[in-house]
Amino acid sequence: DQQVKQNSPSLSVQEGRISILNCDYTNSMFDYFLWYKKYPAEGPTFLISISSIKDKNEDGRFTVFLNKSAKHLSLHIVPSQPGDSAVYFCAAVNRDDKIIFGKGTRLHILP
Amino acid sequence: DSGVTQTPKHLITATGQRVTLRCSPRSGDLSVYWYQQSLDQGLQFLIQYYNGEERAKGNILERFSAQQFPDLHSELNLSSLELGDSALYFCASSGLVDTQYFGPGTRLTVL
Repeated sequence: DQQVKQNSPSLSVQEGRISILNCDYTNSMFDYFLWYKKYPAEGPTFLISISSIKDKNEDGRFTVFLNKSAKHLSLHIVPSQPGDSAVYFCAAVNRDDKIIFGKGTRLHILP
Repeated sequence: DSGVTQTPKHLITATGQRVTLRCSPRSGDLSVYWYQQSLDQGLQFLIQYYNGEERAKGNILERFSAQQFPDLHSELNLSSLELGDSALYFCASSGLVDTQYFGPGTRLTVL
């Protein structure tokens, strides 16, 4: 039973345009949501987080939106750059500090 | 460079064997997390230690165990290895749960 789902295995976006990565979850008891970026042969790197009491968090080109009623969050990257090509993982943290990851979305930024 | 180190980088062993993976957290981080990444399951949280004590448990098999030592380094022990245990094993450390720094991973191949 997947509690955190990233339904798009891959996404291609033109350089300079907006990339939108989506994530759905099933458990209303999550406290935090996190986005990680992963290049091949490297460990994931933390990008941005959002608390369950907020609906938006922005950090430079990255914005995460949380829609609690829809149990949906999205990561917006604007403008997209070639170095953004990577796998993006959505993760949720519950009150026991258990962290559950989605399976990831591979983002390709096209020149 | 995240500041988290993992050894060895690659490990090849046979079914039924036992291996130990080692992780050194970033200086000052008290929490260590272990994750397993496989092709079909994505990134799975295994276990968290905080200052030597087990803090949270995820999908960790009974054949697997971990510990965190007084110097805060951690070891993940995998025993009675099966073919399906072949995966990338990541360690992460943090001061705060929403900012984890990942090591480069250990690739385990069970033949």
